[in-house]
Amino acid sequence: SQTIHQWPATLVQPVGSPLSLECTVEGTSNPNLYWYRQAAGRGLQLLFYSVGIGQISSEVPQNLSASRPQDRQFILSSKKLLLSDSGFYLCAWMGYDKNYGYTFGSGTRLTVV
Amino acid sequence: GQNIDQPTEMTATEGAIVQINCTYQTSGFNGLFWYQQHAGEAPTFLSYNVLDGLEEKGRFSSFLSRSKGYSYLLLKELQMKDSASYLCAVRDLGTALIFGKGTTLSVSS
Repeated sequence: SQTIHQWPATLVQPVGSPLSLECTVEGTSNPNLYWYRQAAGRGLQLLFYSVGIGQISSEVPQNLSASRPQDRQFILSSKKLLLSDSGFYLCAWMGYDKNYGYTFGSGTRLTVV
Repeated sequence: GQNIDQPTEMTATEGAIVQINCTYQTSGFNGLFWYQQHAGEAPTFLSYNVLDGLEEKGRFSSFLSRSKGYSYLLLKELQMKDSASYLCAVRDLGTALIFGKGTTLSVSS
């Protein structure tokens, strides 16, 4: 069966520190992968998506970046965090049945202090 | 531009029926999704509509009118555990979903 793993679950980081969030998918190959952020009072905002290794599309210009070093691995990074980067970060996978939409990872609650 | 609107909050009582509306304006349309999200958790899939009409799945139903850019999620026989946020999302021309801000539903006894 297909599963999606995301870690860490919670993170408290100081302003200006780096960030690395990891997402991996099991039980499938060449998945479409997505990073979303959910800030307080706002909807899910698409940050990046990837259709394959090394292929990254950015939806929102900001101080975040994404990489896909392996087929089933998707990483969200920042060199210097801002207060406005706080939020709930979700990795999502589009399964074979596109009528099902996404399967989400469990999310990372990031607080920048 | 892309715009998806849904009410911010709704309240209802146990056993009642509630309808959560969603209107959308997107550059393309390739399906509309409803997700449920409990506080602090990831969203989970509820329903999918790509053709006009009603899709029923147990206590939950979802309706779509493409010509009106309108959908609703109908929840019957409300239970306390239905207290959550309900997210409307549209897939436009690609595979990525565009989400509304969500409707927080509070169910009281």
